[in-house]
Amino acid sequence: GIQVEQSPPDLILQEGANSTLRCNFSDSVNNLQWFHQNPWGQLINLFYIPSGTKQNGRLSATTVATERYSLLYISSSQTTDSGVYFCAVPAWETSGSRLTFGEGTQLTVNP
Amino acid sequence: DSGVTQTPKHLITATGQRVTLRCSPRSGDLSVYWYQQSLDQGLQFLIQYYNGEERAKGNILERFSAQQFPDLHSELNLSSLELGDSALYFCASSVAGTGMNTEAFFGQGTRLTVV
Repeated sequence: GIQVEQSPPDLILQEGANSTLRCNFSDSVNNLQWFHQNPWGQLINLFYIPSGTKQNGRLSATTVATERYSLLYISSSQTTDSGVYFCAVPAWETSGSRLTFGEGTQLTVNP
Repeated sequence: DSGVTQTPKHLITATGQRVTLRCSPRSGDLSVYWYQQSLDQGLQFLIQYYNGEERAKGNILERFSAQQFPDLHSELNLSSLELGDSALYFCASSVAGTGMNTEAFFGQGTRLTVV
């Protein structure tokens, strides 16, 4: 099946710093999702981004499907950005689908 | 709020017991997915239903079963529970079952602790 790799596994920042998280995938995909899992365990949708670039406030994401990677940019980080960031890609079967998740990037933003 | 509702939020039970986790998808979504997140396995896909029919299956244990009802809510049944079944169980929903429109939205999860 498709493999998803995220880097870095861990990232520690000071409040106000910028960061880039990377997601590589082993096969062509038609869409990709980024999620933030907060310290309470909730998975929050950040982006649904098959290709191109999207922006939402201080966060933006770029997917280059032909080169099989996606980047998540966090600017002016805040302590509330802490948590685990996952990317996930679909694996389609004959009549259904599933998401394959990367191992995540654990982000800690210190005040 | 994703619009996906899971109950209960927390569950503590003993080994050998059976529990049922419940999920209500977002309004208009026909597809429901179940995922398990444990410390050593990451987020693992269990099973997908679309409009009441099973559509995809992951490495779901035989002790686990699921169904989707006519009103589209879904239940995940876990039986003969073992300590290793302790995990966060997520339900997700999407409009479609395959192809486009499969953006998944996740519920808050059920944290299961088996003691």
